[in-house]
Amino acid sequence: KNQVEQSPQSLIILEGKNCTLQCNYTVSPFSNLRWYKQDTGRGPVSLTIMTFSENTKSNGRYTATLDADTKQSSLHITASQLSDSASYICVVSPSGGGNMLTFGGGTRLMVKP
Amino acid sequence: EPEVTQTPSHQVTQMGQEVILRCVPISNHLYFYWYRQILGQKVEFLVSFYNNEISEKSEIFDDQFSVERPDGSNFTLKIRSTKLEDSAMYFCASSAAGGAAGELFFGEGSRLTVL
Repeated sequence: KNQVEQSPQSLIILEGKNCTLQCNYTVSPFSNLRWYKQDTGRGPVSLTIMTFSENTKSNGRYTATLDADTKQSSLHITASQLSDSASYICVVSPSGGGNMLTFGGGTRLMVKP
Repeated sequence: EPEVTQTPSHQVTQMGQEVILRCVPISNHLYFYWYRQILGQKVEFLVSFYNNEISEKSEIFDDQFSVERPDGSNFTLKIRSTKLEDSAMYFCASSAAGGAAGELFFGEGSRLTVL
């Protein structure tokens, strides 16, 4: 069964600090991996999309990495801001699966002043 | 900036009643989706829709669910006879392309509460 597992479940950091969120997936064959940011009670917003041939992709202070051999991805947030407080969700699309995306449970990040 | 809009933002209904959730996708998008998120759980795929027909659906999307694009702008999700376990946030999404090239844009969600 296709699964996406994320760690940690929750994380508290101080404003200005960096953090790294982890994602492991068992989806195979694999097409692409996405990271979304979801504020409480809101819809997910796309941060990055990486195909299996890409190792890294950046979007401002967000940098995602992908190791398709070990089926792991990470999202690194640099110089965190209070507005970064949200859930960060790793999402995987199976090859040939169109947009039947498999969502992870997310990491809930809280940035404190 | 173009966005996906959903109505209502919150609906409370009695078990067994029919519910219709409405979505207006981004105007030049061709692929439409419904996802749901039960409180505290993962977002789950329900159905994708392209060229006026369902292209994929999950096990959750049983005979109680249906989707329709009644005109050029709206995309609806109907639940015929709601159950308590249908209580969730329902997200509509759209994309300009399908598959790996398709970045999904989500709406703000419709919260459905079944009593």
